[in-house]
Amino acid sequence: DAKTTQPNSMESNEEEPVHLPCNHSTISGTDYIHWYRQLPSQGPEYVIHGLTSNVNNRMASLAIAEDRKSSTLILHRATLRDAAVYYCILRDRGNQFYFGTGTSLTVIP
Amino acid sequence: DGGITQSPKYLFRKEGQNVTLSCEQNLNHDAMYWYRQDPGQGLRLIYYSQIVNDFQKGDIAEGYSVSREKKESFPLTVTSAQKNPTAFYLCASSIPRPDINEQFFGPGTRLTVL
Repeated sequence: DAKTTQPNSMESNEEEPVHLPCNHSTISGTDYIHWYRQLPSQGPEYVIHGLTSNVNNRMASLAIAEDRKSSTLILHRATLRDAAVYYCILRDRGNQFYFGTGTSLTVIP
Repeated sequence: DGGITQSPKYLFRKEGQNVTLSCEQNLNHDAMYWYRQDPGQGLRLIYYSQIVNDFQKGDIAEGYSVSREKKESFPLTVTSAQKNPTAFYLCASSIPRPDINEQFFGPGTRLTVL
């Protein structure tokens, strides 16, 4: 069974914020939450990660629910270059990464 | 430039043949991973290695084999026992600490069995 579940697809207008949700109800206390994105025929690239507290970096923000059973990746102003498949991933203490099926984000000009 | 290289980018093989996919990294990372991706799907873990001369099976290891004789290299062999090997294969590396950020990916090898 997948450790993370995400909507298959989402759309956003350019220049508007995007909230990409992820459920991980079976997360353990030591699992880190990672987000990666992938363009067609390329390897995924790191976006952001966190454990319990909300996180911000130059690419995005990560909001983690208090019970850690869900998280949301926030792109503050979507651009056409943000169109990709976004994966919500759990990384465990054994350094194994558990990928879900991802959300395909379409950005509308 | 530091990074991960995979070769070849495209690979064709006849059914019943073994084939080895190359993965090299110069990031000085201890941990390396092999994933398989099918069209429209997420990544599934084949094998991973946290240190030289040690590796563990992932979710879909059947029909694959790996070796980790050097820190920089983690080749994947797709054997004839793998029933449906046509897929996009991705190699990755990371520092083996979950609180340290990212996993770096190579550009991938697209394997097609004819």
